[in-house]
Amino acid sequence: DGGITQSPKYLFRKEGQNVTLSCEQNLNHDAMYWYRQDPGQGLRLIYYSQIVNDFQKGDIAEGYSVSREKKESFPLTVTSAQKNPTAFYLCASSINRGRELFFGEGSRLTVL
Amino acid sequence: QKEVEQNSGPLSVPEGAIASLNCTYSDRGSQSFFWYRQYSGKSPELIMFIYSNGDKEDGRFTAQLNKASQYVSLLIRDSQPSDSATYLCAVTRGGGSEKLVFGKGTKLTVNP
Repeated sequence: DGGITQSPKYLFRKEGQNVTLSCEQNLNHDAMYWYRQDPGQGLRLIYYSQIVNDFQKGDIAEGYSVSREKKESFPLTVTSAQKNPTAFYLCASSINRGRELFFGEGSRLTVL
Repeated sequence: QKEVEQNSGPLSVPEGAIASLNCTYSDRGSQSFFWYRQYSGKSPELIMFIYSNGDKEDGRFTAQLNKASQYVSLLIRDSQPSDSATYLCAVTRGGGSEKLVFGKGTKLTVNP
């Protein structure tokens, strides 16, 4: 069954710690994305990747880092430099750019 | 001017009525338009996409696009309580990036 798997679903972090959110897809999609959603807000693009070993900053990349070593995987690291990391993080993929996105179930990060 | 604007609602309609959701966008170069449904605490799921001016129907859903006026709408016929959710409009940016930009969403409540 094809889809996008994000883990963990819930994560608590102390201030000053880095955390990595996992995103794996078996849809054979070229493009992958990370979005952040805050309560009552739309989705904001953090990073995206159109192809393996290449990625681009989105609108709110500061305090985040990513890698794309495999087509199936696009992990996101939330670093201690991110001022307000508490949010709902959504990973998505599309067959290529400009096409519809399919989302994982999301990871909810809370900083204590 | 925001890139993608939606009336935040809430929009309340009785069961069986037509729900009309609207979205305007600022980038005349936008080529692709999407509607997503998001239940509380869940990730967005794709309902429809539309690329050309006019109407596109899929079951109870109809997407309408008017590029000259820079608006896209979603009609839900025979609304059901299960349609109660937040509806997100997403538009690709022009200029070749084709990144998806999301509106903040319209919350729809269908009353039995």
